[in-house]
Amino acid sequence: NAGVTQTPKFRILKIGQSMTLQCTQDMNHNYMYWYRQDPGMGLKLIYYSVGAGITDKGEVPNGYNVSRSTTEDFPLRLELAAPSQTSVYFCASSNRDRGGYTFGSGTRLTVV
Amino acid sequence: AQSVTQLDSHVSVSEGTPVLLRCNYSSSYSPSLFWYVQHPNKGLQLLLKYTSAATLVKGINGFEAEFKKSETSFHLTKPSAHMSDAAEYFCVVSELDSGTYKYIFGTGTRLKVLA
Repeated sequence: NAGVTQTPKFRILKIGQSMTLQCTQDMNHNYMYWYRQDPGMGLKLIYYSVGAGITDKGEVPNGYNVSRSTTEDFPLRLELAAPSQTSVYFCASSNRDRGGYTFGSGTRLTVV
Repeated sequence: AQSVTQLDSHVSVSEGTPVLLRCNYSSSYSPSLFWYVQHPNKGLQLLLKYTSAATLVKGINGFEAEFKKSETSFHLTKPSAHMSDAAEYFCVVSELDSGTYKYIFGTGTRLKVLA
């Protein structure tokens, strides 16, 4: 009964480094999302996907890339890490548009 | 575009007293509305949702919310606060954008429960 699994839970990156945040769900959900959470700002949508092979930009996509080769996996890629990308990142999935989301436990990323 | 306003960034209540977390939204059509709770260093958990059925929605852990279209509000309440309710709460509206629904999050209300 895993739900949405995110790895790693914590990571410190140096400026200019790259990394991939992993997200896997085992509920056969078509919709998947990446959010970042900054203090006092709520959650902002980075990218989303409505099914395997289909991705689209959200509100704050700059500096990130995604892919969706399978229904289960939705990795988020940071190519050139910047201090502004210090945040907590949440992956979520849903089985339909208006339904509730299932969130992962988050990845806390610090860029120094 | 739709938006969500959580009227209080911090709320403090004593254990055993009622909880009221306020949320107002703007929407051009019948919205779906949600409340999520986030405990420290945890992910978000769905408390309850409104999707155009009954206007009084009951959720987990004794929480409920009432959809009031005339007031464009969706306030979260609980009759008696418990220490374990201390967390951050997010009000969310679902928006149709480019053919798919996306969440718009409020900025959150941090609930503190005093012994």
